[in-house]
Amino acid sequence: DQQVKQNSPSLSVQEGRISILNCDYTNSMFDYFLWYKKYPAEGPTFLISISSIKDKNEDGRFTVFLNKSAKHLSLHIVPSQPGDSAVYFCAASEDGNKLVFGAGTILRVKS
Amino acid sequence: DVKVTQSSRYLVKRTGEKVFLECVQDMDHENMFWYRQDPGLGLRLIYFSYDVKMKEKGDIPEGYSVSREKKERFSLILESASTNQTSMYLCASGWASATNEKLFFGSGTQLSVL
Repeated sequence: DQQVKQNSPSLSVQEGRISILNCDYTNSMFDYFLWYKKYPAEGPTFLISISSIKDKNEDGRFTVFLNKSAKHLSLHIVPSQPGDSAVYFCAASEDGNKLVFGAGTILRVKS
Repeated sequence: DVKVTQSSRYLVKRTGEKVFLECVQDMDHENMFWYRQDPGLGLRLIYFSYDVKMKEKGDIPEGYSVSREKKERFSLILESASTNQTSMYLCASGWASATNEKLFFGSGTQLSVL
């Protein structure tokens, strides 16, 4: 039973446009959420995170939004660049414990 | 730069063989983790360790064991490899602070069991 779900296996976006990646979770005890990015033949790298006491966190072109009542978070990338093409994993943790990952979304940014 | 090094990028083993996957980190992290990545399933936690000689089962520990004799090294052991253990294996490490769950990953080992 997956506690973190990324329901879109893939997403294709034109360069310069906004990419929106979505993530849903079921465990209401999760209090910290993260996004990781993975290129082929490399390990995932940390991208951005948000604590459950916030509803938005921004870092350059990347913004994460958290809607606790809906148990939903999203990652916005604007403007999207070809180098953003990768697999994006949503992850969550409870009380500083181990991370639970979603299945990932493949993002393709077309130039 | 944090470095998490996995000893092999690719491994091919036969069914029934004992397989060792090694992972070393250079940041004095307390926590270390082994995940496997499969298409459509994402990263699933096999085992983790919060200290030397300490280990905890993750979500899918069956068929695996681990060893952490030194703080910097965390080994994953497949006692008798089976074809359903063909996967990408990812090691990760991180600090013990509850306010920092960020993990640093190795490049992965693609294991094929024939």
